[in-house]
Amino acid sequence: EVQLLESGGGLVQPGGSLRLSCAASGFSFNNFAMTWVRQAPGTGLEWVSTITGSSGGTYYADSVKGRFTISRDNSKNTLYLQMNSLRAEDTAVYYCASRRGDYWGQGTLVTVSS
Amino acid sequence: DIQLTQSPSFLSASVGDRVTITCRASQGISSYLAWYQQKPGKAPKLLIYDASTLQSGVPSRFSGSGSGTEFTLTISSLQPEDFATYYCQQLNSYPQTFGQGTKVEV
Repeated sequence: EVQLLESGGGLVQPGGSLRLSCAASGFSFNNFAMTWVRQAPGTGLEWVSTITGSSGGTYYADSVKGRFTISRDNSKNTLYLQMNSLRAEDTAVYYCASRRGDYWGQGTLVTVSS
Repeated sequence: DIQLTQSPSFLSASVGDRVTITCRASQGISSYLAWYQQKPGKAPKLLIYDASTLQSGVPSRFSGSGSGTEFTLTISSLQPEDFATYYCQQLNSYPQTFGQGTKVEV
């Protein structure tokens, strides 16, 4: 059974940092490009970042470029999102997903507030 | 960046209705379009990929069509479990934008 399990969300002050993790199981993680998607409360889906299977390529939304870093450890079947200089507008549920969208985690809530 | 515009944003329908949702891209994206269903508090679920290919396990009442800049998602006979919000996403180029969503409600 395919599972993606996010962790690391929580409450952080503006300007602070968080690192999200996504533990994958049940599929050949290293063969899959992976993506982070977020959803602010009551709004639609926003693509955040994608990393290729070999980590050779990373892509970011303009809204997070220079502040967020996507990475992966294929030996641990884990995807990461390092989030720095957090802003109130980064408040959202963050989902990890396969790039093609066939696998999704349950999401982890990040709240940026003082 | 490629913009995706869904219409309508809200759709009132009844069980048994045929429902069509449109997604228009600001520039051509070939067939690199996916459709998702999302219910409150849940992760999105992939319904259709490559514009018209039904994801495994998805009921055949869902279908997708189109290429280039205009795409449609059709539900042939709406079922009670289909009341949800639907999103399109383009995977042609980065950023891999989503449409704003279409809420299907009673």
